[in-house]
Amino acid sequence: EAQVTQNPRYLITVTGKKLTVTCSQNMNHEYMSWYRQDPGLGLRQIYYSMNVEVTDKGDVPEGYKVSRKEKRNFPLILESPSPNQTSLYFCASNGRGPHKDTQYFGPGTRLTVL
Amino acid sequence: LAKTTQPISMDSYEGQEVNITCSHNNIATNDYITWYQQFPSQGPRFIIQGYKTKVTNEVASLFIPADRKSSTLSLPRVSLSDTAVYYCLVAPLAGNTGKLIFGQGTTLQVKP
Repeated sequence: EAQVTQNPRYLITVTGKKLTVTCSQNMNHEYMSWYRQDPGLGLRQIYYSMNVEVTDKGDVPEGYKVSRKEKRNFPLILESPSPNQTSLYFCASNGRGPHKDTQYFGPGTRLTVL
Repeated sequence: LAKTTQPISMDSYEGQEVNITCSHNNIATNDYITWYQQFPSQGPRFIIQGYKTKVTNEVASLFIPADRKSSTLSLPRVSLSDTAVYYCLVAPLAGNTGKLIFGQGTTLQVKP
């Protein structure tokens, strides 16, 4: 089954404790992207990757890092999480470029930083 | 990237047709318009995409006037299960940037 998976689905952590949210897709897609969703702000892009070893900033990259060492995985790293990074995070991929047809979204990761 | 403006929320009743309009005054020549639907605690899913005039699929229709500065998503005969957030997205299909701006979306509440 074609899908995007994220882990963990739920995470409660404390300020300053480094964490990684994994994202993996099994569709051999080149394009992958991370979003955060907050009430009243909609979906905001954090980082995206056009292909392996090619990443770039979205609208809200501060406080986040990403890497794309292989095509299927695109982890989101929070080196020193802060409470304002409490949010719902979505990973997405698209095989025909960022905007052609549909992006496939993962199920989301709900992060709480205390 | 073109900035989009949508109503924050809309209410409707089952069986009615719902039209959600998105403004994108600075749309570029090579930009396409895409609409996504998102249910609570799920990732968005693609509904429809178009460039100009009218596009229809089994779920919705998309109307784009000649000047392309706005677009209207039309949902025929909505049901309670159409209650969701709807996002309008404007971006080129090809190019060397993967930056996408979803905006706030429109929360549609369908009542019985």
